[in-house]
Amino acid sequence: ETGVTQSPTHLIKTRGQQVTLRCSSQSGHNTVSWYQQALGQGPQFIFQYYREEENGRGNFPPRFSGLQFPNYSSELNVNALELDDSALYLCASSWSGAHEQYFGPGTRLTVT
Amino acid sequence: DQQVKQNSPSLSVQEGRISILNCDYTNSMFDYFLWYKKYPAEGPTFLISISSIKDKNEDGRFTVFLNKSAKHLSLHIVPSQPGDSAVYFCAASPWNSGNTPLVFGKGTRLSVIA
Repeated sequence: ETGVTQSPTHLIKTRGQQVTLRCSSQSGHNTVSWYQQALGQGPQFIFQYYREEENGRGNFPPRFSGLQFPNYSSELNVNALELDDSALYLCASSWSGAHEQYFGPGTRLTVT
Repeated sequence: DQQVKQNSPSLSVQEGRISILNCDYTNSMFDYFLWYKKYPAEGPTFLISISSIKDKNEDGRFTVFLNKSAKHLSLHIVPSQPGDSAVYFCAASPWNSGNTPLVFGKGTRLSVIA
């Protein structure tokens, strides 16, 4: 059974640029959620995708957007990067209807 | 406004003793609770969960207790081992179904001293 994978591991971008982060869900999982973890904080929910549609969104601006593909993998796109977007971005997959979510190793984004 | 609170940023325990990590929540809509463990440079790993219809769930060395009236839960690790040293996050799920976002606390860093 393959776990959740994310790419890239690390990324450095300049303020104002755009970034795309990628996630492959655990085998058999059809729901993907994205979280942002700032330093010293717990993960914060960005949005969730189920059956290729957004299925809930946290308190993040529209410049945070996502996609889910037919194979349940997902992308997180962030436009017009700001310094405060520097964080660990975590992807989690789960079965539809299950509470337990399984996380990937994350992508560390640094905005300079 | 933090809905899930872990008031102890850190905890040190001797190897072999009990570790008790605490978590409080404010939202009465939360009815499913989870604990995750996180090592540096890794994502959070699911540890154990409990539904609001129970007050205790046990899995090997890990036991979670839920006190709904006090809106409090705790994770007990017995006996503690050096490999348990990590950041532990408490998380809550707001509805009695899946596909809902997890709301996390800030975490407690556990250090188990050999």
